[in-house]
Amino acid sequence: SQQGEEDPQALSIQEGENATMNCSYKTSINNLQWYRQNSGRGLVHLILIRSNEREKHSGRLRVTLDTSKKSSSLLITASRAADTASYFCATDWPSGSRLTFGEGTQLTVNP
Amino acid sequence: EAGVAQSPRYKIIEKRQSVAFWCNPISGHATLYWYQQILGQGPKLLIQFQNNGVVDDSQLPKDRFSAERLKGVDSTLKIQPAKLEDSAVYLCASSLDKYVETQYFGPGTRLLVL
Repeated sequence: SQQGEEDPQALSIQEGENATMNCSYKTSINNLQWYRQNSGRGLVHLILIRSNEREKHSGRLRVTLDTSKKSSSLLITASRAADTASYFCATDWPSGSRLTFGEGTQLTVNP
Repeated sequence: EAGVAQSPRYKIIEKRQSVAFWCNPISGHATLYWYQQILGQGPKLLIQFQNNGVVDDSQLPKDRFSAERLKGVDSTLKIQPAKLEDSAVYLCASSLDKYVETQYFGPGTRLLVL
């Protein structure tokens, strides 16, 4: 079964709004990553957060990690139509050299 | 810097036929991965190479799938014979080393098995 599960499965918002996606996982991890996938650019790494970090920022992205709840969230602020894509969380499970992806959240940003 | 290259981009075959995909990783990247992504799901690792050796092939259906990375650079993934359920996007990725966290993905090969 998948290690990570994203919620919601699909999200539709208006341009300028914030989008929040959540990821839950089952076992201890060293780090958690978020990737974006759209038809134009394939799968692209967005941000990595380590198990000893609680929050990380990159541009309009904010990622939080709660290891006690085994969950992470990705916040995209001031969304743009170009943010329309599928977003996946990935954990280094079952070993530090393997990534296990969740099912993804499909984000649609309407202009 | 050139990204991960894959070919072909699209392939349509009939069941029981064979098919091969090619991947050229980013120059200098020691680790190469092949993923299978079925429509509506996240990528699933099939096989991981470190240089020309296999690190992890626990999720590779070895009765029909095979992969090699001769000379530790390019890699090919083969399916023989293909089944309907093999219809998916096959993604190749590379990273500097097996414990370097960021993976760089190619555009993928979309396979349709009829």
